[in-house]
This record gives sequence, structure tokens and C-alpha cells, in this order.
Amino acid sequence: NAGVTQTPKFRILKIGQSMTLQCTQDMNHNYMYWYRQDPGMGLKLIYYSVGAGITDKGEVPNGYNVSRSTTEDFPLRLELAAPSQTSVYFCASSHSQGAAQETQYFGPGTRLLVL
Amino acid sequence: GNSVTQMEGPVTLSEEAFLTINCTYTATGYPSLFWYVQYPGEGLQLLLKATKADDKGSNKGFEATYRKETTSFHLEKGSVQVSDSAVYFCALSPAPGGYQKVTFGIGTKLQVIP
Repeated sequence: NAGVTQTPKFRILKIGQSMTLQCTQDMNHNYMYWYRQDPGMGLKLIYYSVGAGITDKGEVPNGYNVSRSTTEDFPLRLELAAPSQTSVYFCASSHSQGAAQETQYFGPGTRLLVL
Repeated sequence: GNSVTQMEGPVTLSEEAFLTINCTYTATGYPSLFWYVQYPGEGLQLLLKATKADDKGSNKGFEATYRKETTSFHLEKGSVQVSDSAVYFCALSPAPGGYQKVTFGIGTKLQVIP
């Protein structure tokens, strides 16, 4: 059981380049999330999805896009990379959010450096 | 809005020392409270949780009690080990009622030295 997997683990981008961070979960979870983790700032929610075909913005969506064509996959797209997007990105999933006590399961993260 | 406050650290302890990491929160209603742990190079994983006042969550020797009167959820362990070195995140999930995001604290780095 792989849980939540993310690729790549590390990437260096030049300013203005684009890339897609991949996220896949095999737990049949309805909810999926993208967070960024900056030093001393905790986790900030970028986008989330409550099921295939449904996505919504989180706290810091500017500069990112997502899609959710299947239950398993939730890729995050950076169109025009900027130095401010240098961060560690985590994908997570949960069975639902209808119950407040629902646990989130995290992937290992993607470290992105924009130069 | 909701918020979670915890010290950033690092907290440095000798092996077998007692650990306390403070966490206080601001929220309406009765949120659920969590501690997540992040080991070096890995994603976050759930350590323990509590879903109502006076509940005690426990796992791997760690404990935390949901104190509604002091809006706190402090993490404790009686005797830490080197393998406990990690970053610990306190988190809050609002009371049910449609989707509301989970709020994470900034994380507290724990270093345990032999």
C-alpha cells in the first residue's frame, strides 16, 4: 500500500519556466490537498479537491493551477515560476472532511527551487 | 478566524528528558485537535488526536489532553529518545459543517542528543 506518492522529489526551475508536480493516492480518498511549507510559516493550503472534477482555492492559490480528473490523481501546475514559489510542496488526502476528526495522509514532499 | 500557536524551537533535550511542546488555539465551537510529526526528509504523519474536551490522545509514549477551558493541547512525553528528533505540528480541524480547512501551527523542531 503506497499511500500518497509525489514526484519529483526535487527540482530546480528557472524563472518563467513551468512544471507539474504529480500526486497520486491509492486509498480511494475523496479529499485531496496541496500545501506549501515555508520555514517558520507552517503549512499553507494552495488548492483542495472534494472529489473528481471538483477543485477550489485555498489560502495561497495565485500562480498555481490544479485539476482532478480521477479520484487518484491531483497534479499541481506552476505556469510561470517565480522565486517566491521556492518551497517544499506537500500533497495530502483524506477520506472526507464531513467529520472534523478526519486524519490527513501526506506524501513525502517535493522540494522546488526557483532561480 | 481559527489559529494555532506553538513555539518554533528548536527545542534541544538530552535523551530520557521530559518533553513538553505547548500548543494553544483559537476557534469557535468544538474543533478536533491533532499533533502531526515530520521526520527528516518525510511528509507529515498523524501522531495523535482528540476530538472533544478532556479527551486524551496518546501514541508512542506521547500524550496530549484537549483542554477547552485553557484552549490548549500540549504535547508531552516522559522520556524522549534520539529517534524522536523531528518537527511537531499542532493542528486544528473546525467543527463539522461543510468543508473548512485544517489550520496548522508553524511546527516545533525537537532535537534529542545522546
